[in-house]
Amino acid sequence: GQSLEQPSEVTAVEGAIVQINCTYQTSGFYGLSWYQQHDGGAPTFLSYNALDGLEETGRFSSFLSRSDSYGYLLLQELQMKDSASYFCAVRDLGTTDSWGKLQFGAGTQVVVTP
Amino acid sequence: NAGVTQTPKFRVLKTGQSMTLLCAQDMNHEYMYWYRQDPGMGLRLIHYSVGEGTTAKGEVPDGYNVSRLKKQNFLLGLESAAPSQTSVYFCASSYQSASGGLSSYNEQFFGPGTRLTVL
Repeated sequence: GQSLEQPSEVTAVEGAIVQINCTYQTSGFYGLSWYQQHDGGAPTFLSYNALDGLEETGRFSSFLSRSDSYGYLLLQELQMKDSASYFCAVRDLGTTDSWGKLQFGAGTQVVVTP
Repeated sequence: NAGVTQTPKFRVLKTGQSMTLLCAQDMNHEYMYWYRQDPGMGLRLIHYSVGEGTTAKGEVPDGYNVSRLKKQNFLLGLESAAPSQTSVYFCASSYQSASGGLSSYNEQFFGPGTRLTVL
C-alpha cells in the first residue's frame, strides 16, 4: 500500500514564500505530482517529478528526493489567488494498466493574507 | 473543446435510491477515472478505465459500478445509495503513456464535480 503525509494548513502573507512538504511510503514509486484545487473547483495539475531535483515552473517549484521519500512544493511571491488546497500524489508503480493511477495525499490548505 | 464535463452538478437522493453520474471527455483520452472527495481525506479512486470496454476497481469501489461503453464516456452508478456516499465526485481523464517510462507522465484533467447528498 501507499501513504502520503502533508501538513493540513499553512498561512502566509502576500509576497511570502511557502513550502509544502510531502512524505510518502510506497510499495512501488514512479513519481510525485502536485495538484491545486480552489474552493469549489476541480483539481488542476501543477507539476511532476520523477527524478531527484528541482523542477521550476514560474513562481512554483517542486522538489523530489527519492532516497528520502520526500518532496515539496515551493510557492514564491505569494498572491491572494494562490489561496487553495494543494495535493501531492504518488504515481502507482503497478501493472501496465496502472501507468496513470494516482494516490493522493489529504491536501494542504494554503491561506494567503494581505 | 469542453474538456471533461460531468452531469449532474448537484443531486439529492434518499437512502436506497439509485442514480447514474455521467462523465464525458472530448480529448480522445484512453484513461478515465472516478474519484470521491470528502473533507480532510483528499481524492480517493473509486474505479478507473484504461480503455473502451474495460474497467477496474480503485481504492474504494464498494457500492459503485461503472461502465465504459464508449471511449468518451465513463458512467458511475449507485444502485442503492447510502448516506456514507454523500460526497463530491470528480471524474478525470488522461492520455495513455506511449512508453510508460519513469519520466513520462500524463496529467489528469478533472471535471467540475458532482455534489451528491444522500439523506
